[in-house]
Amino acid sequence: DTGVSQNPRHKITKRGQNVTFRCDPISEHNRLYWYRQTLGQGPEFLTYFQNEAQLEKSRLLSDRFSAERPKGSFSTLEIQRTEQGDSAMYLCASSERGGSYNEQFFGPGTRLTVL
Amino acid sequence: AQSVTQPDIHITVSEGASLELRCNYSYGATPYLFWYVQSPGQGLQLLLKYFSGDTLVQGIKGFEAEFKRSQSSFNLRKPSVHWSDAAEYFCAVVSSGTGNQFYFGTGTSLTVIP
Repeated sequence: DTGVSQNPRHKITKRGQNVTFRCDPISEHNRLYWYRQTLGQGPEFLTYFQNEAQLEKSRLLSDRFSAERPKGSFSTLEIQRTEQGDSAMYLCASSERGGSYNEQFFGPGTRLTVL
Repeated sequence: AQSVTQPDIHITVSEGASLELRCNYSYGATPYLFWYVQSPGQGLQLLLKYFSGDTLVQGIKGFEAEFKRSQSSFNLRKPSVHWSDAAEYFCAVVSSGTGNQFYFGTGTSLTVIP
């Protein structure tokens, strides 16, 4: 399977715990995006990477959130001291570099439930 | 700032009937517009996209969409709906910034009845 993969698919945690999600993009895709989708809403942009550089972060990305892409391949999204409001689907997408637009390919998402 | 509005939260159609899902955008220049479909447990799948040129674009699964600049709309259509089309549909516009991130609408949930 050469699509975008995300792990875990589901995560249940207690409030205050830290969680980490992983995204493996399509190989050789330079750009990697994170989105958050809450119930009844469309995905909202969180952050994106060009290779290993994190180039933009949304105001939605509070200080408790951190994302990395250390080698320009897979990425991790960590949420510290989770809150119930963090419960959502976290989507990852990747695209090729270059041009005014490149199609983004989405992974299946990680559903987080904070109790 | 870019934004997308999908006025219909939920639509129910009979199998075989025609479908139109509405999408209105707010954008200062020529937008790049998309329709995605999301089935339960599945990732977002691109149905079609509009960059420029012909304002009627064809997509996968028999879907098409028409870009109307005068109405700031990009409505999705299908002449005959199949039960497998039941899903959540999202319209999106790409940002003008360097990141090209998407701005999605809130989605329209489609139910297909036999």
